[in-house]
Amino acid sequence: KQEVTQIPAALSVPEGENLVLNCSFTDSAIYNLQWFRQDPGKGLTSLLLIQSSQREQTSGRLNASLDKSSGRSTLYIAASQPGDSATYLCALSNNAGNMLTFGGGTRLMVKP
Amino acid sequence: EPEVTQTPSHQVTQMGQEVILRCVPISNHLYFYWYRQILGQKVEFLVSFYNNEISEKSEIFDDQFSVERPDGSNFTLKIRSTKLEDSAMYFCASSVRGGDGYTFGSGTRLTVV
Repeated sequence: KQEVTQIPAALSVPEGENLVLNCSFTDSAIYNLQWFRQDPGKGLTSLLLIQSSQREQTSGRLNASLDKSSGRSTLYIAASQPGDSATYLCALSNNAGNMLTFGGGTRLMVKP
Repeated sequence: EPEVTQTPSHQVTQMGQEVILRCVPISNHLYFYWYRQILGQKVEFLVSFYNNEISEKSEIFDDQFSVERPDGSNFTLKIRSTKLEDSAMYFCASSVRGGDGYTFGSGTRLTVV
């Protein structure tokens, strides 16, 4: 059974810092991995999708990498802003069309 | 940008009552999903639906739960007899094809009292 872990569970940084959020998984036979943002009491906003054949994806200040062999993905946020404060979730699927397995999230606070 | 729409945003119901949560997936998407998130816990998969039938379901999705696509646009989750532990945020999601990225709705917060 796939297990997804995110470390740290919470992170507080001053504005402007570059930061890395970590996601690890136990079964490397994944189909794709997706990073989401969740604001308190709100839905999930997709940030980046990495297919199993890809090593990284970039969108603006965000860069996500995938290393299947080590069972890890990282989300890099450059020049963090207070508006980046949210919970960041990674989730992956093992087969096309199948369920996503979520990590517990990293709650990020960026202080002005 | 196309959205997945969920209604209602909040629902309070008495234990033992039936509830129906509604979702309108993105129009050209073919795969539909329900997930739930109990307060403070991980997002959990409930069920996936493709070609008018359930393609996968979790252990949580027992006989109290059912899904339906009654017309070409709506996708519903029914809980027949709600329990206190059904209180959670319920998310609907859709994808064009299995393996594409998922688009999630903003959720329905269900409170069972």
